[in-house]
Amino acid sequence: GAGVSQSPRYKVAKRGQDVALRCDPISGHVSLFWYQQALGQGPEFLTYFQNEAQLDKSGLPSDRFFAERPEGSVSTLKIQRTQQEDSAVYLCASSGPLGISYEQYFGPGTRLTVT
Amino acid sequence: GESVGLHLPTLSVQEGDNSIINCAYSNSASDYFIWYKQESGKGPQFIIDIRSNMDKRQGQRVTVLLNKTVKHLSLQIAATQPGDSAVYFCAETAGDDKIIFGKGTRLHILP
Repeated sequence: GAGVSQSPRYKVAKRGQDVALRCDPISGHVSLFWYQQALGQGPEFLTYFQNEAQLDKSGLPSDRFFAERPEGSVSTLKIQRTQQEDSAVYLCASSGPLGISYEQYFGPGTRLTVT
Repeated sequence: GESVGLHLPTLSVQEGDNSIINCAYSNSASDYFIWYKQESGKGPQFIIDIRSNMDKRQGQRVTVLLNKTVKHLSLQIAATQPGDSAVYFCAETAGDDKIIFGKGTRLHILP
């Protein structure tokens, strides 16, 4: 498929464990975004990459959250020492050439449950 | 507080009728607004967008209206179908690629 893919789709972690969530954006898309969506809420911005550069990480809730996109394509969101409040769906989105469209294409998300 | 929100958390509409979903925003610097549809277990899907220099934009069966005077955004869906059942989010951006989402309205279609 040509859409944004995320893996795993579901992740259960025990409190204190580290997790890594993967995002494969649409091929050729320059911009990549991570969002956190709590149950019954809208997605909340976490961080944004333009190619491999992380231009905005103002939404990361704590220094336990870390994101990278080393080659400007695949991105990984890592959460260290998970806490129960980290339980949410983590959405990745990508968008195309700069200045053309704000349309972001979302992946299906990874549902993280911290027990 | 949030800069984008919705008036109603749930909306029930008879199949075939028109649906109107409303949204209020507070950031007057926002210059681009988007409506997303999110079905259960899926990521948000782009429906339609509008720039702040426009009042109305039409797509296929959907229309977005923007009233900058009262900072109000609405999504109209014509001839609502069962497949329109989802949560609808309005979202805004001030041109920095960071999109701010509202809480969402769940649309129920009655047979």
